[in-house]
Amino acid sequence: ETGVTQSPTHLIKTRGQQVTLRCSSQSGHNTVSWYQQALGQGPQFIFQYYREEENGRGNFPPRFSGLQFPNYSSELNVNALELDDSALYLCASSLGTGGAGGTQYFGPGTRLLVL
Amino acid sequence: AQTVTQSQPEMSVQEAETVTLSCTYDTSESDYYLFWYKQPPSRQMILVIRQEAYKQQNATENRFSVNFQKAAKSFSLKISDSQLGDAAMYFCAYRSGGNAGNMLTFGGGTRLMVKP
Repeated sequence: ETGVTQSPTHLIKTRGQQVTLRCSSQSGHNTVSWYQQALGQGPQFIFQYYREEENGRGNFPPRFSGLQFPNYSSELNVNALELDDSALYLCASSLGTGGAGGTQYFGPGTRLLVL
Repeated sequence: AQTVTQSQPEMSVQEAETVTLSCTYDTSESDYYLFWYKQPPSRQMILVIRQEAYKQQNATENRFSVNFQKAAKSFSLKISDSQLGDAAMYFCAYRSGGNAGNMLTFGGGTRLMVKP
């Protein structure tokens, strides 16, 4: 069984640029959720994709957007990067959106630094 | 909106001893799930244990067990026979039981240090 993978591991961008982060879900999982974790804090929910449709969104501006592909892998896109976007971005996959199957399993994260 | 509070920023335990990490939450829902995740310096969030709110029995996974007090909205994690590899950040998390918006709400975390 393949776990959740994310790429790249680390990324450095400058303010105003755009970035794309990628996530491959655990085999058999059809739901992907994205979280932002600032240094020293708990993760904050960005949004979730279920069967290629957005299924819930946290308190993040529209410049944070996402996509899920037919193989259930996902992308997180951030436009017009700001210094405060520097964080660890975590992807989690689950089998469905509710019940015990909705338990989320996390990838190793992508560390983004915005200069 | 649901909130999760971890009141202990740091905890320390001697190897082989037992430690309890605290978590309280606030919700008006009756159907929900609670989780403890471990985040070592490698950064990957690892699921430690899950508790369904409708189950009265406390969840147990090997050396890890919880004390789930639904009326008090308390969900503590007990680690028995602590090992050096248990040193990490521990996050308590809440998730609604419904199908819409399967988001996790996390507490601020507790850093656990294990002394040899």
